Amino acid sequence: AQKITQTQPGMFVQEKEAVTLDCTYDTSDPSYGLFWYKQPSSGEMIFLIYQGSYDQQNATEGRYSLNFQKARKSANLVISASQLGDSAMYFCAMREGNSGGSNYKLTFGKGTLLTVNP
Amino acid sequence: DVKVTQSSRYLVKRTGEKVFLECVQDMDHENMFWYRQDPGLGLRLIYFSYDVKMKEKGDIPEGYSVSREKKERFSLILESASTNQTSMYLCASSLSGVNRRKLFFGSGTQLSVL
Repeated sequence: AQKITQTQPGMFVQEKEAVTLDCTYDTSDPSYGLFWYKQPSSGEMIFLIYQGSYDQQNATEGRYSLNFQKARKSANLVISASQLGDSAMYFCAMREGNSGGSNYKLTFGKGTLLTVNP
Repeated sequence: DVKVTQSSRYLVKRTGEKVFLECVQDMDHENMFWYRQDPGLGLRLIYFSYDVKMKEKGDIPEGYSVSREKKERFSLILESASTNQTSMYLCASSLSGVNRRKLFFGSGTQLSVL
């Protein structure tokens, strides 16, 4: 079974509108972390936002927020007021466990290609 | 700023060649990773290392090996390159510690095996 599922291969949004990118995850570990990365056409991976499994509040970073629904095992990324520069591939990722060593690896989803239209 | 440097942006090799992909980070990170990225498949972990001379297999280690003789350098080795290893290879590093430690990525190496 996939640990990270991104069901939207591609999404379109109008400039200045909000968009939600879906991510569901699968783990039995009570301690885990969820990450979103952005990859523009240049290829660099840019860290956007992090949510810990024990965090009480949804994470926010500027125009990015993470809609964390623990019972549903979902961690959707919300981008408010979309800009043309937001056009990129977006990856959801998870780290399981908190005890170091091999627990530091991230498992990534297949990504969602977001296109922002003017 | 953390810098993760991959030695080549583009690489073209022939089937059967031995290929070395080099990665260097300058922030004294304990953990280093090699991923490959293919369209429609996302990023898949090949190997990672959480200490010098330590290595662990990721999800797709077949056909690859790694070397970490120094903390700052993590090499990915294709012993005998094959066409199905044509891909984008991404190196990353992170600190140890709490769960929220994010990965810092290099700019990637696009490898073509002909």
